[in-house]
Amino acid sequence: EAQVTQNPRYLITVTGKKLTVTCSQNMNHEYMSWYRQDPGLGLRQIYYSMNVEATDKGDVPEGYKVSRKEKRNFPLILESPSPNQTSLYFCASSLQENTEAFFGQGTRLTVV
Amino acid sequence: AQSVTQLDSHVSVSEGTPVLLRCNYSSSYSPSLFWYVQHPNKGLQLLLKYTSAATLVKGINGFEAEFKKSETSFHLTKPSAHMSDAAEYFCVVSFYSSASKIIFGSGTRLSIRP
Repeated sequence: EAQVTQNPRYLITVTGKKLTVTCSQNMNHEYMSWYRQDPGLGLRQIYYSMNVEATDKGDVPEGYKVSRKEKRNFPLILESPSPNQTSLYFCASSLQENTEAFFGQGTRLTVV
Repeated sequence: AQSVTQLDSHVSVSEGTPVLLRCNYSSSYSPSLFWYVQHPNKGLQLLLKYTSAATLVKGINGFEAEFKKSETSFHLTKPSAHMSDAAEYFCVVSFYSSASKIIFGSGTRLSIRP
């Protein structure tokens, strides 16, 4: 089954404790991206990747890192999480940036 | 600068009546346009997309949208609302540019009255 898998689905952590949210897709897609969803703001792009070893900042990259060492994986790293990073996070993949995106189920992160 | 605006944060209609969710975009480039739906506590699912072919696009679950370049709009419609249509809807724009950015509208919550 074609899918985008994010883990974990729910995470509560403390300020400053490094964490990684994993994202994996099995569709051989070139383009992957991370979004955060906050009430009234829709989804905002954090980082995107057009291919292996090619990543770039989206609209809200501060406080986040990503890597794309393999085509299927695109982890999101928070080196020192802060409460303003409490949000719902989505990973997505698509063949290209202007084709249908497939979304993971989301990761609800709470930083206390 | 590229942007996308969903004109209504909340729309409420009665079951069986038409649905109209409005979306306008601003772009210097030829855009690809999408509508996604998000049901409560779920991920996002593609409803339909426009990529420079026919201007009237038909999607899943009876939804359709019309691309109007002169009005820079891509409004989503459905002739007859169903209770299962209650969800959040996002208009999304992707631009043919070196920035390779995807921009989401802020979303429209659709409520259906029995």
